[in-house]
Order: sequence, then structure tokens, then C-alpha cells
Amino acid sequence: GDSVTQMEGPVTLSEEAFLTINCTYTATGYPSLFWYVQYPGEGLQLLLKATKADDKGSNKGFEATYRKETTSFHLEKGSVQVSDSAVYFCALVGFQKLVFGTGTRLLVSP
Amino acid sequence: GAVVSQHPSWVICKSGTSVKIECRSLDFQATTMFWYRQFPKQSLMLMATSNEGSKATYEQGVEKDKFLINHASLTLSTLTVTSAHPEDSSFYICSYTANSYNEQFFGPGTRLTVL
Repeated sequence: GDSVTQMEGPVTLSEEAFLTINCTYTATGYPSLFWYVQYPGEGLQLLLKATKADDKGSNKGFEATYRKETTSFHLEKGSVQVSDSAVYFCALVGFQKLVFGTGTRLLVSP
Repeated sequence: GAVVSQHPSWVICKSGTSVKIECRSLDFQATTMFWYRQFPKQSLMLMATSNEGSKATYEQGVEKDKFLINHASLTLSTLTVTSAHPEDSSFYICSYTANSYNEQFFGPGTRLTVL
């Protein structure tokens, strides 16, 4: 079945460091891909998405490119802030259902 | 984005009792909703999908008689964990979809601890 694999955390960075959180997927066909973010005490929020190969989703300085050849959707940000500390989930839509990765906790220190 | 609330945010109960969790969409009407559970350091696992006014569709391995879902209206859904046991302790999250792009809006979750 469809699945999403993302790097284990926590990822610990200093403010203004470069961020990469890896995500790869296995799916039948060409799913839409998502990154969700969960801030402490809040629900998951859609961060960005891409619906077809080579699409780049971007929001709040975060970017991810849909790479069909490597079945990847890595999340990147050039300069993280303390306020980016959260749990990040990679996900895909397969058969109209969201399939999530296990989540990666990001901790950014001043 | 759309706002979804859950109540309670945290509940502790004794083994054998039933617990009801409410999920409300505050600023939009949604026809399809989802219930997930999340174990520590694990992914969200879909439990069931339901459309307003119809019975929920449960995922394989989820006991429908144990996890009762009532999608009473376009803004309210409830999950009742019946005869809860310690192994039911988990984080339960609801979500609604409000458009054709499969975007889901999530509640903040309810942490259930069964003693």
C-alpha cells in the first residue's frame, strides 16, 4: 500500500541555520504530496503542497519539490527561526485518504 | 484556514467507562470528516471516514462497536470510545475536508488516558 517515510527527529538547529527534512514515498500512480506542521497545543496545519511532478510548493519560507524520479518531497528552509519549532508531517493522498509519515520534530534554539 | 475545535483536550477515565470526544468545525460546513489516532512517536492512523447523515466507514482493524462515530450535522461529529481500556490510551484527532482538493483541516486533538 501507499506509505510515507520521513527522517526521524528531533532535528536540532540554531536560529538562521539551513533546514532539510527528508521525505520519500511509495504510492500507486501520482499522488498529491503535502507537508503539515503541528505547533505545540495546536492541530495540524497545511504548510504546503504539490499536486504533480516537478511542482514546487512554498509557504512561509519553506519549500518542497515533487520529485517523481526519486519519489521524494524534501522540506527545506534557508534560515529557520525559533518560531519554526514544531512537528512536521509529510503526507500523500492515496485513494482519497491522507497517508502520513511519522513526523519530525524540529527544535530551533536562539 | 478553517478552524476545527475538539473537546475535551485531555481526558482521564477508569477502565470500563465510555468517553465521548466532540469535534466541531467553527467557521465552515463540511460534508466529510475523519478520525485519526496517534500513538507516541508514530504517525497518524486513519480510523474512520464519515459523511454527514450516513454511517461511518471504518478502516481495517478498527472496531466499529468500540469506536462509535456520530456525524450529526455539518459542523459536529463525535467519537465515543466505549468500555475503554488502557490500550485505548492515545491521541485522537479529527479533521474535516471542505473542498475538492483533499485539503483537510485538523482539530488540536484529544489525549485520552485510561487507567
